[in-house]
Amino acid sequence: EVQLVDSGGGLVQPGGSLRLSCAASRFTFDDYAMHWVRQAPGKGLEWVSGVSWNSGTIGYADSVKGRFTISRDNAKNSLYLQMTSLRAEDTALYYCAKDKGGGTSGWHYFDYWGQGTPVTVSS
Amino acid sequence: SYVLTQPPSVSVAPGQTARITCGGNNIGSKSVHWNQQKPGQAPVVVVYDDSDRPSRIPERFSGSNSGNTATLTISRVEAGDEADYYCQVWDSSSDQGVFGGGTKLTVL
Repeated sequence: EVQLVDSGGGLVQPGGSLRLSCAASRFTFDDYAMHWVRQAPGKGLEWVSGVSWNSGTIGYADSVKGRFTISRDNAKNSLYLQMTSLRAEDTALYYCAKDKGGGTSGWHYFDYWGQGTPVTVSS
Repeated sequence: SYVLTQPPSVSVAPGQTARITCGGNNIGSKSVHWNQQKPGQAPVVVVYDDSDRPSRIPERFSGSNSGNTATLTISRVEAGDEADYYCQVWDSSSDQGVFGGGTKLTVL
């Protein structure tokens, strides 16, 4: 079965940076789009960013645009989220999620999720 | 930006039918996906493209979408169905993902 392992979360001060990683296995990684979705403590789900299989299509939520950068390395079966200028409101559990499709003609749905990695922004 | 509205909570007795709604402007023109999240776990898709169901999801889960409302229906509700349910669409104008606020299903 598909496996997604999120890592890289931690405690960071406001204004700081952090890089999240998602290691994918048991599927052909470079066939599918990938996403980051976050969940603040006790709150609902929020889509953060998505990248198509070939990195040709990338999207961001307005709340993170200009501060976060999504990327992928198909040779390493890995997805990344570089987060800069972090704010208290970025505190959340960050999930990577696999798209059902490749992402070059629109996003589809999240058919598998990682277990999440927690990010806390606090001084 | 596109907004999806869900009731915060729905309660149902075991064996009965639960209906969870997701409201949005002309949502019937979009594909709606439903995710189930149990406490301490990652979400799992239970219905996609309005009414399709992954093979591992029981037939008791079904969906519909028309006009301004999409609905997730869970028949013969079991205690194990107790979870938060989130509807999700893609906002074509911004190409961004949108989730509803989530509905907590309580099995009485």
